[in-house]
Amino acid sequence: NAGVTQTPKFQVLKTGQSMTLQCAQDMNHEYMSWYRQDPGMGLRLIHYSVGAGITDQGEVPNGYNVSRSTTEDFPLRLLSAAPSQTSVYFCASSWGQGQFFGPGTRLTVL
Amino acid sequence: AQSVTQPDIHITVSEGASLELRCNYSYGATPYLFWYVQSPGQGLQLLLKYFSGDTLVQGIKGFEAEFKRSQSSFNLRKPSVHWSDAAEYFCAVGPESGSARQLTFGSGTQLTVLP
Repeated sequence: NAGVTQTPKFQVLKTGQSMTLQCAQDMNHEYMSWYRQDPGMGLRLIHYSVGAGITDQGEVPNGYNVSRSTTEDFPLRLLSAAPSQTSVYFCASSWGQGQFFGPGTRLTVL
Repeated sequence: AQSVTQPDIHITVSEGASLELRCNYSYGATPYLFWYVQSPGQGLQLLLKYFSGDTLVQGIKGFEAEFKRSQSSFNLRKPSVHWSDAAEYFCAVGPESGSARQLTFGSGTQLTVLP
C-alpha cells in the first residue's frame, strides 16, 4: 500500500492564481481531512470528509474548497491564492483509531 | 471547545538522557489523546494513543505516555533518548464520538538531541 499520497510536494503561486492540491489514499478509509501547518500553531483542520459525497468545514475553511467524489481522492482547491495561504498542507485519512498523514505539500504564495 | 497546550516550544537533551514532553488538554468529556512525531520534511507519524483503560500506554520507538485525568495531562516519556529521536512532537485530542476525527493539535515541541 502506498498509504496517503500528496502531489505536488512543492508549489509556488502568484496572488490570485488557482490550484488544486491532490490527495489520495489506498486504504479504503472513509474519513479524510486537510490540515495546514504554520510555525508555532500546530496543525489546523481546514476541511474534512466522512465519506464519498460528504464534506464539512473545519477550523479554517475560508479560501478553500473540497469535494469527495470517490473514497480514494480528496482534492483541496484554492480558487484565488493569497499570501496568507502560504503554508504546509497535510492530507490525512482515518480508520477510526488513528490518522495516517501524507508527506505534505509546501505552498508559497507570492 | 477542545484545546491542547504544549508548554515547551523547544527542549534539548543529551543522548541517553531521559525525556518528558508535556501536554495539557481541555475537553468537556472523555478525550481521545494522541502523540505524533514529525521528522524534518516529513508527515506526521502516530506514536501512541489513549482511548480508555490502562492510563499508561506504550507506543512505538520506546515511547510511553501517561493519562492523568486529575491534571488534564498526557505527558510523553522515554527513558533513554537516541539521536534519531530529534524531531517535532505534537499532542492531539479528539472527541470520543469521533475517535480520531476532528483532532485538535498542540503547537508542538521541538526536540534537539545532543551527542
